[in-house]
Amino acid sequence: QQQVKQSPQSLIVQKGGISIINCAYENTAFDYFPWYQQFPGKGPALLIAIRPDVSEKKEGRFTISFNKSAKQFSLHIMDSQPGDSATYFCAASRMDSSYKLIFGSGTRLLVRP
Amino acid sequence: EAGVAQSPRYKIIEKRQSVAFWCNPISGHATLYWYQQILGQGPKLLIQFQNNGVVDDSQLPKDRFSAERLKGVDSTLKIQPAKLEDSAVYLCASSVAGGPYEQFFGPGTRLTVL
Repeated sequence: QQQVKQSPQSLIVQKGGISIINCAYENTAFDYFPWYQQFPGKGPALLIAIRPDVSEKKEGRFTISFNKSAKQFSLHIMDSQPGDSATYFCAASRMDSSYKLIFGSGTRLLVRP
Repeated sequence: EAGVAQSPRYKIIEKRQSVAFWCNPISGHATLYWYQQILGQGPKLLIQFQNNGVVDDSQLPKDRFSAERLKGVDSTLKIQPAKLEDSAVYLCASSVAGGPYEQFFGPGTRLTVL
């Protein structure tokens, strides 16, 4: 119930294409869902986050789609660029657990020029 | 604004030795986290501090791991004795408070246990 399942494990996209990464969770008490981006040798950095009271949030080329009934959420990267090549982690947390982040297993994205 | 600082960046030790990691969070951040990131996996929370009190240490292997945050600022994480399976990157993060706030991560310490 504490798990966040992320797919795919790796993704290759051509420059200008759309990258889509999916996550699923079981615990309906989760109420905060961030996405983190990690470059090699660096710590993760927050990309975008969503609360379950909205179905979509967009920031620039990055969009989170959230399906509360299906307990799924996804990250869409529009017009993918080689600089987007990184590992992406979804996460979930809840208030009664001090908003401790439970991370997915990560998706390694490669954007080909 | 300076980010989260960690040292050392790399450490290689033999099994059964001890090791310590240091973290300096962003100034003014009340909440500090230590995560373990095994290669190919997402970070796993080891311990969360609010100021100098422990909020969550449910996943900290307390028989060998210890952490402290004196004066509510810097923090150290210690492993004694280390096992092969402790090989990982240890990430420190901080946030303004506990809650649905952005966590700022340091670059991590890569530990190799031989």
